[in-house]
Amino acid sequence: AQSVTQLGSHVSVSEGALVLLRCNYSSSVPPYLFWYVQYPNQGLQLLLKYTTGATLVKGINGFEAEFKKSETSFHLTKPSAHMSDAAEYFCAVSAGSQGNLIFGKGTKLSVKP
Amino acid sequence: GAGVSQSPSNKVTEKGKDVELRCDPISGHTALYWYRQSLGQGLEFLIYFQGNSAPDKSGLPSDRFSAERTGGSVSTLTIQRTQQEDSAVYLCASSPRDSYTEAFFGQGTRLTVV
Repeated sequence: AQSVTQLGSHVSVSEGALVLLRCNYSSSVPPYLFWYVQYPNQGLQLLLKYTTGATLVKGINGFEAEFKKSETSFHLTKPSAHMSDAAEYFCAVSAGSQGNLIFGKGTKLSVKP
Repeated sequence: GAGVSQSPSNKVTEKGKDVELRCDPISGHTALYWYRQSLGQGLEFLIYFQGNSAPDKSGLPSDRFSAERTGGSVSTLTIQRTQQEDSAVYLCASSPRDSYTEAFFGQGTRLTVV
């Protein structure tokens, strides 16, 4: 069975600072991993995904994540936070061949001016 | 349409009433998923459709919940005899293939049971 743990339900950074959102997963098969962002009263938008190949994955809005099998981690980073990055971020793992996602509890990112 | 469309965007219903939530996936997408997002439980998978069939209904929380999909397109999630714990945002997503491809999400239906 798959599961996802996001460390920190709320992260606050200053504008221009590094963003680091942590995600650890558990999977009995090679995982497909995803980060989604949700702005208030919106649906989920895909930031980036890891399927196979290169372990450093670049996404939209300057975000990237690195798949580390040995650490079962898929942390999301952005070198310099912008006010518009304030949102809730969800890490997810694909649960087998049918593609439904198992989500973490989410991390709400606040960006201080 | 351009994206996944869900209706209504908001629904307030009285406890014990039945509700229907609709999802129009992106044209041509064969896979369709329903999720529920609530404060206490986060994002939970409810049901998966491949075409019109639902090979995985394991996430439906009780027999009051059912869903169907017709014509390989529109899906309806029905909740019978609604309870206050059913209050949540119901999200629909569609995908051109299952497994590792991107799932495109609608904006959700916010259901409030009073």
